[in-house]
Amino acid sequence: NAGVTQTPKFRVLKTGQSMTLLCAQDMNHEYMYWYRQDPGMGLRLIHYSVGEGTTAKGEVPDGYNVSRLKKQNFLLGLESAAPSQTSVYFCASFGTQALWEQYFGPGTRLTVT
Amino acid sequence: AQSVTQLDSQVPVFEEAPVELRCNYSSSVSVYLFWYVQYPNQGLQLLLKYLSGSTLVESINGFEAEFNKSQTSFHLRKPSVHISDTAEYFCAVSESGSARQLTFGSGTQLTVLP
Repeated sequence: NAGVTQTPKFRVLKTGQSMTLLCAQDMNHEYMYWYRQDPGMGLRLIHYSVGEGTTAKGEVPDGYNVSRLKKQNFLLGLESAAPSQTSVYFCASFGTQALWEQYFGPGTRLTVT
Repeated sequence: AQSVTQLDSQVPVFEEAPVELRCNYSSSVSVYLFWYVQYPNQGLQLLLKYLSGSTLVESINGFEAEFNKSQTSFHLRKPSVHISDTAEYFCAVSESGSARQLTFGSGTQLTVLP
């Protein structure tokens, strides 16, 4: 099992550009999450999904959109990137049989100039 | 809404000394509590968790944490730290009945000095 993978690992965008971050998990987990990590602020939830075809807003959803067309994939989109979106983005997944452990991907470091 | 406070942003400690990383939470409902560890340039790994039952929980590498409901705390302790314990530690809470989303504290950087 690869666990949770994220693509790409690094990206530099100019203000106003768009991009999509891909998260994939091979553990058949129902729940998937996108967090952003900023220095001194821990991880904050952007959006999450409780199953294929469903999405919901987290704590900091503005400027982001998500889609969960397939159970194993969770996409995070930035339609018009802003410098405030410079961050490290982590995807996580959770299965109801996983005894409350969320599995995290390795992260995507995004810089918006 | 739930929240988590980690009182120390940085904790330097000498090798083989004991350490305590503090975590307090607030919530109006029952919670589940977690400690995650993040090594440099890596994702987060679950260190230990409290779901129910015994209030003292342990990890496989010698860390332990005690759930104190009256003080709304879940402090992490280790009696003797190693250089390899140097990492950032995050306390997190999830409310029962939620979609299992986690609310994290701001993190504590533990640096073990030789």
